[in-house]
Amino acid sequence: AQTVTQSQPEMSVQEAETVTLSCTYDTSESDYYLFWYKQPPSRQMILVIRQEAYKQQNATENRFSVNFQKAAKSFSLKISDSQLGDAAMYFCAYRSAYSGAGSYQLTFGKGTKLSVIP
Amino acid sequence: KAGVTQTPRYLIKTRGQQVTLSCSPISGHRSVSWYQQTPGQGLQFLFEYFSETQRNKGNFPGRFSGRQFSNSRSEMNVSTLELGDSALYLCASSWEAGGLPDTQYFGPGTRLTVL
Repeated sequence: AQTVTQSQPEMSVQEAETVTLSCTYDTSESDYYLFWYKQPPSRQMILVIRQEAYKQQNATENRFSVNFQKAAKSFSLKISDSQLGDAAMYFCAYRSAYSGAGSYQLTFGKGTKLSVIP
Repeated sequence: KAGVTQTPRYLIKTRGQQVTLSCSPISGHRSVSWYQQTPGQGLQFLFEYFSETQRNKGNFPGRFSGRQFSNSRSEMNVSTLELGDSALYLCASSWEAGGLPDTQYFGPGTRLTVL
């Protein structure tokens, strides 16, 4: 079974600064998807960014980018120019790319609570 | 396009009762997944439905069940509620691409409190 580990339960960053959230995962599969979701205090889970394992290029979405290291099974999220609205719980998630039961569910890490200091 | 909607948003029940939660997916999405979120266990997969069929089920007791209707709307039911069932229940929908579900988009959740 796949596992996802987020080793930083809480982090803080000054507004306009850059912060990196860590995520490692364990899998024996070679093809899969990785995601970062954001859950603000209002609780709506929002997709931040998605990475396909077969793509070597790191995904980027505006101020959000990832550092995907497949061999190291590491998938960190970098937030540049942090804004007050970035304050939230951030969850790293894994999903298999193979058809079958594993491809239908997300396996989540425990989350990292990010605070943004004005 | 409207997002995933869940009703009700808040629910208070007592032990032993049963509860039904509803989820309407994004228009065109036929895959619906349910997750339970608690402070202790984090986010755990409950089950996933596609075209009215359950394709996968997480490690939850039989008290947890679900179904999907022909319009892709889904319901989950918890019978004989226990205090430990207090949680945020999240529904997610996704498009199906090449026989595999695509990115999951989440609803706002239903906060269930069992007294």
